[in-house]
Amino acid sequence: AQRVTQPEKLLSVFKGAPVELKCNYSYSGSPELFWYVQYSRQRLQLLLRHISRESIKGFTADLNKGETSFHLKKPFAQEEDSAMYYCALMNGGYNKLIFGAGTRLAVHP
Amino acid sequence: DAMVIQNPRYQVTQFGKPVTLSCSQTLNHNVMYWYQQKSSQAPKLLFHYYDKDFNNEADTPDNFQSRRPNTSFCFLDIRSPGLGDTAMYLCATSREGGGVTDTQYFGPGTRLTVL
Repeated sequence: AQRVTQPEKLLSVFKGAPVELKCNYSYSGSPELFWYVQYSRQRLQLLLRHISRESIKGFTADLNKGETSFHLKKPFAQEEDSAMYYCALMNGGYNKLIFGAGTRLAVHP
Repeated sequence: DAMVIQNPRYQVTQFGKPVTLSCSQTLNHNVMYWYQQKSSQAPKLLFHYYDKDFNNEADTPDNFQSRRPNTSFCFLDIRSPGLGDTAMYLCATSREGGGVTDTQYFGPGTRLTVL
């Protein structure tokens, strides 16, 4: 069954520390993966998609098919990165998404 | 600003009393989605419309229905809400729903409480 797992509910770091938000997936096929972010009092929005291989706000994510992972990384966390982060897997046509349960990132000064 | 709007933002209803949640969009997108997100859980897709074509997820309860009278509006109807339907309901849109370069745009959500 298709599934997305984010093992950490909360990740707490200090400003300037490296961040890695973990995401593992289960999918029978070639996966298309995304990271969505929800800042406080804002709506859910796309952060990045693996196919673009882009860096957004200093975040990157590499698809590792061997480990079925798509971890989100940033070398130096900023306080404004504090938010809820969701990993998502595209499941079939019409861009249907399966979300993980999310990880709350808290960056402390 | 072009956006996805949901009304109301908060809704309280009684057990068994029908409720309708509204979503509108100014993006002129073809696809509209409804997700249910219970506390501390992942958003879960209930159904989506591609234009006027309705697509139900296999495990969406029959209690949940949807209408899309035109491109801009989509409604979520819960015919007989149960306590377990208390959740945040998210509406989203995408231009074509046709691939990985398409992006879903989310509304702010409606928080539904069933008493």
